[in-house]
Amino acid sequence: DADVTQTPRNRITKTGKRIMLECSQTKGHDRMYWYRQDPGLGLQLIYYSFDVKDINKGEISDGYSVSRQAQAKFSLSLESAIPNQTALYFCATSPWGTDTQYFGPGTRLTVL
Amino acid sequence: EDQVTQSPEALRLQEGESSSLNCSYTVSGLRGLFWYRQDPGKGPEFLFTLYSAGEEKEKERLKATLTKKESFLHITAPKPEDSATYLCAVCSGGGADGLTFGKGTHLIIQP
Repeated sequence: DADVTQTPRNRITKTGKRIMLECSQTKGHDRMYWYRQDPGLGLQLIYYSFDVKDINKGEISDGYSVSRQAQAKFSLSLESAIPNQTALYFCATSPWGTDTQYFGPGTRLTVL
Repeated sequence: EDQVTQSPEALRLQEGESSSLNCSYTVSGLRGLFWYRQDPGKGPEFLFTLYSAGEEKEKERLKATLTKKESFLHITAPKPEDSATYLCAVCSGGGADGLTFGKGTHLIIQP
């Protein structure tokens, strides 16, 4: 099932580099989310968007920015990557009328 | 602040040995409680949504139940393919519109 796709799937970068993670969906859902997952911790919300004109910060937005280019595309940027941003990053979508979220396969990011 | 605590952190069972995973939560106005399954290196896969105390949902060998303080994921006669990390999450009316997740229970089913 490739309703939610994330690119790249794996990325290794260096401290100080700018990096963009992309998420695309074919589910037709309006709401999109970015989470990060660290070993032994729960998923934490970074940013979310209800439509192209709506962007909201989550609990850990510092050091990140997002862009909602279209209903189907939501990108996460690290302006100047640092090692403690090494984590698994997940995109999720949700249709109006429900809080159930559907997750993509994830991007494993390593910052050296 | 919404909080979700899952126990145990890890559980090892023999094939066919039934058990339950616990999810305790504190929220300001529960809008929904969610169970996901996550395999290593993959995204969480949606299993159930529960909305109110007393509600139950079933899927194959899994059954989720909900009270005002906690949820249980019961697994009956598990098979090795049920091995995964099971995540519990809540959505409340008091916070951002994302989900608040627990740390998960790592379940291993031995043949």
